[in-house]
Amino acid sequence: DQQVKQNSPSLSVQEGRISILNCDYTNSMFDYFLWYKKYPAEGPTFLISISSIKDKNEDGRFTVFLNKSAKHLSLHIVPSQPGDSAVYFCAARSGGSNYKLTFGKGTLLTVNP
Amino acid sequence: EAGVAQSPRYKIIEKRQSVAFWCNPISGHATLYWYQQILGQGPKLLIQFQNNGVVDDSQLPKDRFSAERLKGVDSTLKIQPAKLEDSAVYLCASSPEWTRQETQYFGPGTRLLVL
Repeated sequence: DQQVKQNSPSLSVQEGRISILNCDYTNSMFDYFLWYKKYPAEGPTFLISISSIKDKNEDGRFTVFLNKSAKHLSLHIVPSQPGDSAVYFCAARSGGSNYKLTFGKGTLLTVNP
Repeated sequence: EAGVAQSPRYKIIEKRQSVAFWCNPISGHATLYWYQQILGQGPKLLIQFQNNGVVDDSQLPKDRFSAERLKGVDSTLKIQPAKLEDSAVYLCASSPEWTRQETQYFGPGTRLLVL
């Protein structure tokens, strides 16, 4: 039962263009969503997050959009840079006593110079 | 500030052997997590400690996996005996606050190959 889905295993964009990474979820109890970035041979690093009470959060070149009715969120990177090439994981936090994170399978983003 | 340290970085064993991984979290971080990341999948939480107490181990295969966090600092994760399907990267993470999950800091991981 995959509660967080990233249906695109990979995405390739040109430097300077917009990158859009998508994520869908099925559990209505998720109350907080996060994006992590992972380079090879390194652990994931936190990128940006959004609460379920908001529909947009922006941090520099990174913007996350949340559509609760569609149970869909997306990460926009504008403009894309070669250093953004990495695997991006969408994660969702369930409420309750331990705030466990559930991760998607990840999307490999390649930004071509 | 030093990050989360893990060792070894790589380990190759045969099935039915035992293996142990070590994690040293960021100093002062109360919460420690062990994740399993199988190739092509996202990280899956195995166990979560708050100080030296277990908060969640619902996805830990307890017949073969065990973990401890002595004195609320370092932690070890053990697999005994290992199976082929245990081949994965084992990630350790720590965070300073209970509710702010975005503050999970991950180590580089231990890549395990079971032959």
